Amino acid sequence: QSVLTQPPSASGTPGQRVTISCSGSSSNIGSNYVYWYQQLPGTAPKLLIYRNNQRPSGVPDRFSGSKSGTSASLAISGLRSEDEADYYCAAWDDSLSAFGGGTKLTVL
Amino acid sequence: QVQLVQSGAEVKKPGASVKVSCKASGYTFTGYYMHWVRQAPGQGLEWMGRINPNSGGTNYAQKFQGRVTMTRDTSISTAYMELSRLRSDDTAVYYCARAPLAAAALLFDYWGQGTLVTVSS
Repeated sequence: QSVLTQPPSASGTPGQRVTISCSGSSSNIGSNYVYWYQQLPGTAPKLLIYRNNQRPSGVPDRFSGSKSGTSASLAISGLRSEDEADYYCAAWDDSLSAFGGGTKLTVL
Repeated sequence: QVQLVQSGAEVKKPGASVKVSCKASGYTFTGYYMHWVRQAPGQGLEWMGRINPNSGGTNYAQKFQGRVTMTRDTSISTAYMELSRLRSDDTAVYYCARAPLAAAALLFDYWGQGTLVTVSS
């Protein structure tokens, strides 16, 4: 059971905008930064968003993050086939790290 | 360029211990935490703990307290994760990942390639 709750799956068609939610509590999202990771099959996770809404260099601006209260969201606009992957949110929680359970994004 | 290179796959029997290494290069080893994250087959990411390579101080997830030990050798820029009393549900890919030395920073910008640990009798 993950401390951060994500929907297990999401889907969209090419060009669409999809959002993935991450629900937590005051001890994690409510008081700490949120991070998002993308994991392609058979590879290590890749940092997508840090400190709620910042993109590392090289990450397309199609990816954006937001946070409000004890919830956060990852939005992907202009969906592409290569965006099909697993997405994880993460936040510090009372002296330990917490990952969401992950959301499998399917591009139809 | 920054690289984290992990040791190779391991097969262990239940009750045994495993020690995975993570050799860092391309940056100042003592300037970043080293975290360990594992992923069981078909499952999500699970944080195990972290070590401050500068001080040697560690923080472990409650689930692994008493079974995990994280150490480092600064002379060779290598971090280690040892897990004892292995069970079949410890079968997973184990990753090391670096993050800034800020208390609550989960900014894992570089990851190792992962080490598959299989626990089977």
